[in-house]
Amino acid sequence: EVHLVASGGGLVQPGGSLRLSCAASGFTFSRYAMNWVRQAPGKGLEWLSYISADSGMIYQADSVKGRFSISRDNANNSVFLQINSLRAEDTALFYCARGFGSFDYGEFLDYWGQGTLVTVSS
Amino acid sequence: DIQMTQSPSSLSASVGDRVTITCRASQTINNYLNWYQQKPGKAPKLLIYTASSLQSGVPSRFSGSGSGTDFTLTVNSLQPEDFATYYCQQSYSIPRTFGQGTKLEIK
Repeated sequence: EVHLVASGGGLVQPGGSLRLSCAASGFTFSRYAMNWVRQAPGKGLEWLSYISADSGMIYQADSVKGRFSISRDNANNSVFLQINSLRAEDTALFYCARGFGSFDYGEFLDYWGQGTLVTVSS
Repeated sequence: DIQMTQSPSSLSASVGDRVTITCRASQTINNYLNWYQQKPGKAPKLLIYTASSLQSGVPSRFSGSGSGTDFTLTVNSLQPEDFATYYCQQSYSIPRTFGQGTKLEIK
């Protein structure tokens, strides 16, 4: 059974940093792309970042480019999101999600983790 | 960026009803349109991918259609567990974008 467990969230002051992790199990992690999506309290879903199975392709939303950085460790079945220069508007539940299918031909997010909450406040 | 617009934003219906949610893209996305269901306090769940393919394990009362810029999600014979928020998402280009969501409530 596929499991994605996100961790690393917490309360951080404006300007601070966090490293979010997502531990995967139940599938061959090195064969799948991964994504991060966030959801501010009471709001909709916002796609943040994509990393291909071999880390050869990385894409990010313009809203976080330069502040957020995605990476992965296939040996340890994990994907990460380094989030820097945090602002109050970054307060959200951050989800990791597995990408299925070809990136250029309709990839979809077939499994999601439970999310990790990031709260930016002084 | 491709804008995804869902309508309605909220919808009240009764158990047993048939409901349709629409999603319009600001430019053509072929059939690279996915639908997700989210219940309060839970992660989103994939329902439909590439416009009309039913994800494994999803009840057949859910169906999707459309191509180009206009898409629909239909739920036949609503069940109590179907009351949730539904999102469309395009996977045609970067950034991947979601619709604003449609909250389906019990009448």
